[in-house]
Amino acid sequence: LAKTTQPISMDSYEGQEVNITCSHNNIATNDYITWYQQFPSQGPRFIIQGYKTKVTNEVASLFIPADRKSSTLSLPRVSLSDTAVYYCLVPLYNQGGKLIFGQGTELSVKP
Amino acid sequence: EAGVAQSPRYKIIEKRQSVAFWCNPISGHATLYWYQQILGQGPKLLIQFQNNGVVDDSQLPKDRFSAERLKGVDSTLKIQPAKLEDSAVYLCASSLDPTGLETQYFGPGTRLLVL
Repeated sequence: LAKTTQPISMDSYEGQEVNITCSHNNIATNDYITWYQQFPSQGPRFIIQGYKTKVTNEVASLFIPADRKSSTLSLPRVSLSDTAVYYCLVPLYNQGGKLIFGQGTELSVKP
Repeated sequence: EAGVAQSPRYKIIEKRQSVAFWCNPISGHATLYWYQQILGQGPKLLIQFQNNGVVDDSQLPKDRFSAERLKGVDSTLKIQPAKLEDSAVYLCASSLDPTGLETQYFGPGTRLLVL
C-alpha cells in the first residue's frame, strides 16, 4: 500500500506558480499517481494522473522523477479560485482503483 | 454529461434517529462508491459497488450503516440509529470501470448534522 505524504497547508499569491510535492516511497511498479482537487462544499474533482516523467493538461502539470518516490503538482499562475484542498493519491490497482485519501494540502491563494 | 446527483443536500436529525441518502451515478458507470468525510479530513471509503454487487465494505460500520444498489444504478445509504459522530458529509462517486485507472466522479455530497 503506497502511503502518500504531502504538506498540510501552503500559501501563495495570485499569479504565482505553486508546486505541491508528495512523497510515496513504497510505490509499486503498477501504481499511477493521481491528484484530486476539492473546493469547499463540493466533492473532490480529478485534476491529473501520471506514471512517469511529465504530464500536462489544461489545469496543471505533474512531474515524476525516475525513481517515482515523489511527484510534484504544478499549478501555473494561480488565481483566487484555485484556493482548495489538493490530494495526492495512489489508487490501489489490485483493489478496483480504491482511493485512500490523506488530509491533503490546503492551498490558500491571496490577492 | 450530467454529473453524480445526490439528495438531500443537507439533513439535520437527532441521535438515535434514522436517515437515508440517495445517489444517482453518471449514466453507464458500473462502479459506485460511498465516502464519509469528517470536517478537516479526507474522504473515507465506506462501500464500493460493482453493478449491484458489493466489492468492498470493509470500513462500513455494519451495525448501523447499510447500503444497497438495486438494479445496478441508483444507490441508497442508510444510518440507523445515528450517533453524534456520524455528523459528516456523505459523498457518492462513480466511475466507468473498476480496473484502477478510471477517474472517480464525485457528487456534491449530503451534509449530515446529528444533534
